[in-house]
Amino acid sequence: GQQVMQIPQYQHVQEGEDFTTYCNSSTTLSNIQWYKQRPGGHPVFLIQLVKSGEVKKQKRLTFQFGEAKKNSSLHITATQTTDVGTYFCTFSGSARQLTFGSGTQLTVLP
Amino acid sequence: GAVVSQHPSWVICKSGTSVKIECRSLDFQATTMFWYRQFPKQSLMLMATSNEGSKATYEQGVEKDKFLINHASLTLSTLTVTSAHPEDSSFYICSPRPRDGTDTQYFGPGTRLTVL
Repeated sequence: GQQVMQIPQYQHVQEGEDFTTYCNSSTTLSNIQWYKQRPGGHPVFLIQLVKSGEVKKQKRLTFQFGEAKKNSSLHITATQTTDVGTYFCTFSGSARQLTFGSGTQLTVLP
Repeated sequence: GAVVSQHPSWVICKSGTSVKIECRSLDFQATTMFWYRQFPKQSLMLMATSNEGSKATYEQGVEKDKFLINHASLTLSTLTVTSAHPEDSSFYICSPRPRDGTDTQYFGPGTRLTVL
């Protein structure tokens, strides 16, 4: 079945530095969603991208969907300690079940 | 936002025992329930999909006789891990799909199962 790979698997940044995680699919996706999971917590919805080349911003977070709808990225500007967690890209199937990417675990050092 | 509860939030059991996890949608009705599990430092993997009143559909590699899913009402689904073994230790998360067809995905807070 369809799979999405994320890189990097882990990222340590100093507070204030930027952070980017990339999501790649071997097939075209109809949509992509991003979730954040804090340690010990459940995934929390961040954004959904549907259109080719779409860019959406949420404060310091910028989400992008590739032109071919096979890749996506999440960029955080000037990271804060509250950004710590694992970021997952996902896509939904016909029954709206989610296939999660492998995730990028972000550590922000104060 | 919609509220989803899971009970228990964590459980420790002996190998060979069965554990039941409840998932409730508190302020909406869910026609479909997704059950995911997450092993330490790994991603979430879909285990099964259940529709209210019918049998669950299991993903490849998930034993239906080991992970019993009951979705008897539009607000309650249960996952029973039968004859649990240490390799079943994981974080189990339910995700009810609202009956009104909204695109938003909701997740329960998860149940951490540790099998000794």
